[in-house]
Amino acid sequence: AQSVTQLGSHVSVSEGALVLLRCNYSSSVPPYLFWYVQYPNQGLQLLLKYTSAATLVKGINGFEAEFKKSETSFHLTKPSAHMSDAAEYFCAVTEANAGGTSYGKLTFGQGTILTVHP
Amino acid sequence: EPEVTQTPSHQVTQMGQEVILRCVPISNHLYFYWYRQILGQKVEFLVSFYNNEISEKSEIFDDQFSVERPDGSNFTLKIRSTKLEDSAMYFCASRLGRANYGYTFGSGTRLTVV
Repeated sequence: AQSVTQLGSHVSVSEGALVLLRCNYSSSVPPYLFWYVQYPNQGLQLLLKYTSAATLVKGINGFEAEFKKSETSFHLTKPSAHMSDAAEYFCAVTEANAGGTSYGKLTFGQGTILTVHP
Repeated sequence: EPEVTQTPSHQVTQMGQEVILRCVPISNHLYFYWYRQILGQKVEFLVSFYNNEISEKSEIFDDQFSVERPDGSNFTLKIRSTKLEDSAMYFCASRLGRANYGYTFGSGTRLTVV
């Protein structure tokens, strides 16, 4: 079974500061990992994904995440926060089976609300 | 960029009534999903649909729920007799093929059961 834990339901940073949102996963098989962002009253937008290629993944809006198998982590970072980054962020995992044909339900973490102060 | 479209954006219904939530996935996608998010809680998987049949469903997806892809375009979620606890945001998602292609989500339907 797969699961995701996001440490910290709320993170607050100042504009220009480093953003670090933590995600740890549990999976019995090699995982695919995703970060989604949800702005108020909107759907889930894909920020970036890890699908067993490079362990450092770059996404949209200056975000990146590093897959660390030994730590079962996939933390999301951004060097300098912008006011427009304020949103809720979700980490999600699915299982990449050997044939790559998994029906692939996503399992989500609880979400982290990012607040950016001027 | 292709989008997943969900209608309506907000629906209010009385307890015990049937509701149908509609989704138009991206046209060449093959895998379809419904998820829900109760206010303040995590996004939860409900059901996946592939090759015109349910491929996986969660414990939440009981006999009150059903899905259909009636015309090769729409993908619907029906709740037969709504309960107060069905109030949530419901997201539709679709995927082209292998999981590494990523998933595209719609903007959701907020269902309020009164």
